[in-house]
Amino acid sequence: KAGVTQTPRYLIKTRGQQVTLSCSPISGHRSVSWYQQTPGQGLQFLFEYFSETQRNKGNFPGRFSGRQFSNSRSEMNVSTLELGDSALYLCASSLGLAGEFFGPGTRLTVL
Amino acid sequence: AQTVTQSQPEMSVQEAETVTLSCTYDTSESDYYLFWYKQPPSRQMILVIRQEAYKQQNATENRFSVNFQKAAKSFSLKISDSQLGDAAMYFCATIQGAQKLVFGQGTRLTINP
Repeated sequence: KAGVTQTPRYLIKTRGQQVTLSCSPISGHRSVSWYQQTPGQGLQFLFEYFSETQRNKGNFPGRFSGRQFSNSRSEMNVSTLELGDSALYLCASSLGLAGEFFGPGTRLTVL
Repeated sequence: AQTVTQSQPEMSVQEAETVTLSCTYDTSESDYYLFWYKQPPSRQMILVIRQEAYKQQNATENRFSVNFQKAAKSFSLKISDSQLGDAAMYFCATIQGAQKLVFGQGTRLTINP
């Protein structure tokens, strides 16, 4: 069974741009959650989707948004990028309890 | 709100020795889960071991075991027979509700050959 995949793996953007990251969960998993990892703030929860519905959201500004499609694939979008958005963005999928399987992450660099 | 504290930013151990990583947490949940994750240089987050709080028996996974002290809100990870491949960042985490993981700041483990 294929693991959680995230695309792209690396991304470089400039301030003010927007970016979309994609996460494909393990087949059959309906829960997808997103985390931001930075050296200063560590790992922080962004949001979680289950069957196309956002069930939980972390303390991030409205520039961070996400969605989930009927095939459970999820995207997150960050608009009006800031330097502080540079981070590793991790996606995790599970059947029930969150955090079972993580993807390799997308490294976003904002210049 | 849940909090997780890892008081050891860095640890090192000789290959084949045993090392224990510390973690304390605070939660208002009556039932909860605790996790240890490993993040090697590839940055892939790997679930090492999971403990359900209502289970008194400490979880074990091969060379990895935990010492779960519920009253003290302590959840340490013991790695036996340390191997070079165990070198990584280790994160302790608990879960809020069923969907939100709360992580500690991590412990960087170095294995000395």
